[in-house]
Amino acid sequence: VQMTQSPSYLAASPGESVSISCKASKSISNNLAWYQEKPGKANKLLIHSGSTLQSGTPSRFSGSGSGTDFTLTIRSLESEDFAVYYCQQYNEYPLTFGSGTKLEIK
Amino acid sequence: EVQLVESGGGLVQPGRSLKLSCVASGFTFSNYGMNWIRQAPGKGLEWVAYISSGSSYIYYAETVKGRFTISRDNAKNTLYLQMTSLRSEDTALYYCARHRTMGIVYWGQGVMVTVSS
Repeated sequence: VQMTQSPSYLAASPGESVSISCKASKSISNNLAWYQEKPGKANKLLIHSGSTLQSGTPSRFSGSGSGTDFTLTIRSLESEDFAVYYCQQYNEYPLTFGSGTKLEIK
Repeated sequence: EVQLVESGGGLVQPGRSLKLSCVASGFTFSNYGMNWIRQAPGKGLEWVAYISSGSSYIYYAETVKGRFTISRDNAKNTLYLQMTSLRSEDTALYYCARHRTMGIVYWGQGVMVTVSS
C-alpha cells in the first residue's frame, strides 16, 4: 500500500491550526497511525486507528478519515509541535509510511 | 520502563555483511513481535522486517528480501538483523521497535549503518 502524504513542508505560527493529508493507494479501513519525529527523541505515536489519541497525546491533536483518505489536524499550535510528522498504515504487510511533513515555525 | 538498545552498526564496504542486535528490557520480550525500521539520511521512515513473538511469522520489505534475515533469541531478550550483500542504499539509521497491532509505541534510539567503499 502506497501512502501519499502532503504537504511535505508546512510553515505556520504558534496559535494557528494546520492539517496534514495522507492518502492510501487502496482501502486500509482505519488502520492508520500518525507519528511525530523530533531530533534527539524517540519517535512518538500520536494517533492510532485513524482517530484515537494515544495516551499522553494532547487534545489539540486530532485525526480523521477511513478507507483511503486521512487527515491529521493540530489546533492552536504550540512551540513543541514543530516537528516532522509521518502517517503509517498497518492494515497489511509490508507496513508503509508516508514521506513525512516538516512543520516549521513561520 | 521499556528500553530497546541497538548495536552493531558501523562503516562497511558494499557487498559485505553486518549483524545488528537489539537488547530489550522492561517488558516480557517473548510476548511481543518486533520490527526493524530504517531511515536513510534526510529521508523518511522505511519498515524493513517483522518477526512474531515465537518466530513463526516473518515478513520483509521487498528492498531487503533475500539479503536480510531477522531473528530473535527470547532467552537473551535480543532481536537481530543479519544484513548481507549490503548496498549504498542500505545506508541508514536502523531502529528496532516493539510491535503493536495499532501503531508502534516503543522505538530504540537507532544504530547507524554506512555502506561505502
